Amino acid sequence: ELKVEQNPLFLSMQEGKNYTIYCNYSTTSDRLYWYRQDPGKSLESLFVLLSNGAVKQEGRLMASLDTKARLSTLHITAAVHDLSATYFCAVIQFFEETSGSRLTFGEGTQLTVNP
Amino acid sequence: KAGVTQTPRYLIKTRGQQVTLSCSPISGHRSVSWYQQTPGQGLQFLFEYFSETQRNKGNFPGRFSGRQFSNSRSEMNVSTLELGDSALYLCASSHGLAVTYNEQFFGPGTRLTVL
Repeated sequence: ELKVEQNPLFLSMQEGKNYTIYCNYSTTSDRLYWYRQDPGKSLESLFVLLSNGAVKQEGRLMASLDTKARLSTLHITAAVHDLSATYFCAVIQFFEETSGSRLTFGEGTQLTVNP
Repeated sequence: KAGVTQTPRYLIKTRGQQVTLSCSPISGHRSVSWYQQTPGQGLQFLFEYFSETQRNKGNFPGRFSGRQFSNSRSEMNVSTLELGDSALYLCASSHGLAVTYNEQFFGPGTRLTVL
């Protein structure tokens, strides 16, 4: 059974600081997704990482994927209050017999950026 | 391009009742997946439909069922509601083809409260 673990689960940081969220997963996969969720809202897609060594950046967020280590990171640079949210990583599994797929999510990292 | 829509957005039911939730995917998307989000269990996969066929099912009891119509709209049904079914139910839409990166786009969710 695929397991996806994030750490830390709670992160309180000051504006202007840098930090990294880690996402480890237990089986081989070369596709990993990062989502953002604001309180009471749905999931907003941030990054799709498709291969080993993939790196994507959007604003103050940068995500990377190391499929050999089964590790993805979400790096926050010079945090601002607007980044306060819960961040989820998710790994997709494909099932050959049905051509189906499913996402398995990490527990989420609740980020609070304080002024 | 319109996003994923879900109705209703909020629902209050009592134990023992049944409920039907609806999801309309992004135009052109043929795959609809359903996820349950609770504070205790996090985000869990319920099932996936593609071209009116269930391709994949998560670990939920038979009280949870779904279907997909020829226009790709999907419904999920929960019968004999229990308190533990209180959750945010998220629908995700994608092309559903493994050859693409199959990015899933989430709807706003239906917040179900069981009293």
